[in-house]
Amino acid sequence: GAVVSQHPSWVICKSGTSVKIECRSLDFQATTMFWYRQFPKQSLMLMATSNEGSKATYEQGVEKDKFLINHASLTLSTLTVTSAHPEDSSFYICSAGQGALGTEAFFGQGTRLTVV
Amino acid sequence: QQQVKQSPQSLIVQKGGISIINCAYENTAFDYFPWYQQFPGKGPALLIAIRPDVSEKKEGRFTISFNKSAKQFSLHIMDSQPGDSATYFCAAFSGTYKYIFGTGTRLKVLA
Repeated sequence: GAVVSQHPSWVICKSGTSVKIECRSLDFQATTMFWYRQFPKQSLMLMATSNEGSKATYEQGVEKDKFLINHASLTLSTLTVTSAHPEDSSFYICSAGQGALGTEAFFGQGTRLTVV
Repeated sequence: QQQVKQSPQSLIVQKGGISIINCAYENTAFDYFPWYQQFPGKGPALLIAIRPDVSEKKEGRFTISFNKSAKQFSLHIMDSQPGDSATYFCAAFSGTYKYIFGTGTRLKVLA
């Protein structure tokens, strides 16, 4: 099956600093990538949808200036959490889509962000 | 209309038993229904998926049953094993709403 690699798998950063998370589709070109946030024992909440070469579409309530998304190529999308605060601590997961409109989505292994 | 309701919230099954997880949706625009398995600290892994033109799909021990008129679909895990213990999410997808995930079911299979 398709492989999506997410890096790093965990990161600890100081409050006020920025953290970049990478999401790569290893064996296919992803026309669409999605970024999710997951709180403990809860479901995945879509943060934004990014299409290669265009601006990301953010879900309601997600601060686009805090969560910067760049989808510069068909195999790489990045999420940068800017000026991180403890409340940004969470599990962030990306997925890359294949097929029309990114129907078949494959997920990365997730990134555990802890802001201290 | 964008919600996907999933039940039960948790499930305990004996080894060898059948695990059944149900989901229901409202919006008829959804046209792709995958199930994901997630282990603690890991990203979700696609298990099996179905489109509305099919009423059932089977892959190994995993079967999706789909009832288009009732707007419901379910995952059946046959011969459940302790290694199946994980959280399972159903989802619904459409080009407009993208993926909407259910709330998850924590499955524990007793040895």
